[in-house]
Amino acid sequence: KQEVTQIPAALSVPEGENLVLNCSFTDSAIYNLQWFRQDPGKGLTSLLLIQSSQREQTSGRLNASLDKSSGRSTLYIAASQPGDSATYLCAVLYSGGGADGLTFGKGTHLIIQP
Amino acid sequence: GAGVSQSPSNKVTEKGKDVELRCDPISGHTALYWYRQSLGQGLEFLIYFQGNSAPDKSGLPSDRFSAERTGGSVSTLTIQRTQQEDSAVYLCASSLLAGDLYEQYFGPGTRLTVT
Repeated sequence: KQEVTQIPAALSVPEGENLVLNCSFTDSAIYNLQWFRQDPGKGLTSLLLIQSSQREQTSGRLNASLDKSSGRSTLYIAASQPGDSATYLCAVLYSGGGADGLTFGKGTHLIIQP
Repeated sequence: GAGVSQSPSNKVTEKGKDVELRCDPISGHTALYWYRQSLGQGLEFLIYFQGNSAPDKSGLPSDRFSAERTGGSVSTLTIQRTQQEDSAVYLCASSLLAGDLYEQYFGPGTRLTVT
């Protein structure tokens, strides 16, 4: 069974700092990995999708990497801003058979201090 | 364009009653997904549709849960004889097609409270 773990569970940093969020998964048989952000009381906003054949994706101040063989992904946020405060969720689409939906980690709750 | 919409946004029901949750995907998206987010379990996948068919229903928590999709568009998730453990936020997502190339876009969710 695929399991996704995110470290740290919570993170608080001053505005302007660069930071890294970590995600690991137990089974490397994945189609893709997606990073989302969730604001309190809201749905999920897709940030980046990395296909299994790719190593990284970039969007603005965000860069996500994927090392499928070691079962790891990182989300790098450059020059953090208070508006980046949210819960960040990592999810994988498993290719090993069975369910066809995303398997999520429990998220990293990020606070950027002004 | 319009994103994924869900209704109602909030639902409070008494234990034992049936509830129906609705999801309207992004126009043209053929794949539709239901997830549940609860404090103890995090986000868990329930069921997905490619067109009107759901290939695998094993993710549904119990036989009180059912889902259907008609016309390749709107989907409803029905929970019969609700229990307190059904209280959660139910999220719907859609993608252009199922598969590795396509991002899933999520709706705002329906918060279900069973009293």
